[in-house]
Amino acid sequence: DAKTTQPNSMESNEEEPVHLPCNHSTISGTDYIHWYRQLPSQGPEYVIHGLTSNVNNRMASLAIAEDRKSSTLILHRATLRDAAVYYCILRGQGAQKLVFGQGTRLTINP
Amino acid sequence: DVKVTQSSRYLVKRTGEKVFLECVQDMDHENMFWYRQDPGLGLRLIYFSYDVKMKEKGDIPEGYSVSREKKERFSLILESASTNQTSMYLCASSFWQGFRYEQYFGPGTRLTVT
Repeated sequence: DAKTTQPNSMESNEEEPVHLPCNHSTISGTDYIHWYRQLPSQGPEYVIHGLTSNVNNRMASLAIAEDRKSSTLILHRATLRDAAVYYCILRGQGAQKLVFGQGTRLTINP
Repeated sequence: DVKVTQSSRYLVKRTGEKVFLECVQDMDHENMFWYRQDPGLGLRLIYFSYDVKMKEKGDIPEGYSVSREKKERFSLILESASTNQTSMYLCASSFWQGFRYEQYFGPGTRLTVT
């Protein structure tokens, strides 16, 4: 499985945008980029995923670099409830498993 | 809403006991997964199942077995619990159709083996 690299932790302020980076320089042409997050005392939950184009949903936006070697999860207006560990995961086409790394622990200051 | 439920939130067992962790999903998903989560090690896949009675080892299957007799239920079995199996256990099921792929997780079972 191709590997991802994320900062261990990040901090931001409530109501400000947050940009969570992920490097995946060994990504293959058919790997999907998935983001999950894990709130305290809960199981992980799906946030967003993409292949080549930028993606938006009600939770976040995913910006994928043109060479696909990196991506950024964007929370447009962080709330305290967004404090969580965010995982960036690559999934091969047709693969059913996800390999979770250490993720980025996001702290939101009031 | 998809729901994945796990039989217990907290469980305390003694060394050598046989332990059953149960997971049920209500969305007719074919794939189900068992992970364990430990500080500094993240989530690691123990076993997954892609159909009834079908299973495949994950990254750390030693000391565990699984059972999937019905599509909605996936059980993790610790044949003889040991203290190094003290952990948070997370069950998941997945939906896959074309571009869409999502794993849905249960709330987790925190198992302590004394």
